[in-house]
Amino acid sequence: AQSVSQHNHHVILSEAASLELGCNYSYGGTVNLFWYVQYPGQHLQLLLKYFSGDPLVKGIKGFEAEFIKSKFSFNLRKPSVQWSDTAEYFCALNLGKLIFGQGTELSVKP
Amino acid sequence: DGGITQSPKYLFRKEGQNVTLSCEQNLNHDAMYWYRQDPGQGLRLIYYSQIVNDFQKGDIAEGYSVSREKKESFPLTVTSAQKNPTAFYLCASTHLGVSNSPLHFGNGTRLTVT
Repeated sequence: AQSVSQHNHHVILSEAASLELGCNYSYGGTVNLFWYVQYPGQHLQLLLKYFSGDPLVKGIKGFEAEFIKSKFSFNLRKPSVQWSDTAEYFCALNLGKLIFGQGTELSVKP
Repeated sequence: DGGITQSPKYLFRKEGQNVTLSCEQNLNHDAMYWYRQDPGQGLRLIYYSQIVNDFQKGDIAEGYSVSREKKESFPLTVTSAQKNPTAFYLCASTHLGVSNSPLHFGNGTRLTVT
């Protein structure tokens, strides 16, 4: 069955540290991938998406993600996190319906 | 402003009662979705609809029912058959035919059943 896995359930970083959140999917065909963010008390927002072309995708707020087809991965990165990045992050795969990973809670210490 | 409206924000019900969660969108989106969000489990798809008067079961449809009588509305009924109904419910919508079109989410309804 198609699935999305986020292996980091809770990540704690200090401000200015670099961030990488893992996302792996299981599907053999063409994929459309998304990262969503949910700030405390807010609704989910789109961070970035991969459809085709350049596998390095840039999103809002300095986030980027790299699609590596051979590894079935779409990891999210940010060179230097801020306290305001504290949120829950979800990776998702679009197969006509969106399949979400379990989510990764990011806590950034000021 | 266009968007998705879920109401109410908080809902309390006694065990054994059915309850209906509202979801309305004015984005002219074709597809609408209901997800359930539980800590550590991400978002799990309950039901989705790609066209009026048609809908499909998601991964955890048991104990839920939906209707899609109008394009802009996709209410979810949590029936007494749902064994663990207390959760945060999210409604979403998107355009069809554009595979990279993102989902737009409502603010959610937190249902507590006691």
